[in-house]
Amino acid sequence: AQRVTQPEKLLSVFKGAPVELKCNYSYSGSPELFWYVQYSRQRLQLLLRHISRESIKGFTADLNKGETSFHLKKPFAQEEDSAMYYCAFQGAQKLVFGQGTRLTINP
Amino acid sequence: DGGITQSPKYLFRKEGQNVTLSCEQNLNHDAMYWYRQDPGQGLRLIYYSQIVNDFQKGDIAEGYSVSREKKESFPLTVTSAQKNPTAFYLCASSIDGPGANTGELFFGEGSRLTVL
Repeated sequence: AQRVTQPEKLLSVFKGAPVELKCNYSYSGSPELFWYVQYSRQRLQLLLRHISRESIKGFTADLNKGETSFHLKKPFAQEEDSAMYYCAFQGAQKLVFGQGTRLTINP
Repeated sequence: DGGITQSPKYLFRKEGQNVTLSCEQNLNHDAMYWYRQDPGQGLRLIYYSQIVNDFQKGDIAEGYSVSREKKESFPLTVTSAQKNPTAFYLCASSIDGPGANTGELFFGEGSRLTVL
């Protein structure tokens, strides 16, 4: 079955510390993976996609096919990074979302 | 102001009543979606539509119905058959269909339905 798993519901780090939000997927083919973010009182929006290999707001995510992971990382967390983050997987007919991780950056 | 507009933002319903949530987009997108967002469960797909006059069930379609009579509109009806309708509902659109799109969905602000 096509599935995306985010093992951490909540993650709390201090400002300036590194951040890693975990995402694992289950799929036999070549996956297309994404990270979506929802800031407080804002709409859910695309943060980055693995095919673009881009860094957005200091975040990067590398696809590791061996570990079937697509973890989101940032070397130095900022308070404005506090938000709900969803990993998503492009399936055959739909975008499948993980359960989400609420990231809190403490001052 | 372009984007996805959902209404109402908050809605209260008595048990046994049907309720319809509105979703309108002016992005000229072909595909539209309805997701349900529950704490700890992420986003679950209710229905999606790739083109006008066509729609498919998602993972949790039971107790819901949709229509796609116009490209810009994709209303969701929560029927009395839905066992646990209290939730936050998100509408989204994408340029093309779910099998071909780039993965970028544009979301509305959501509608919170509470069943009393």
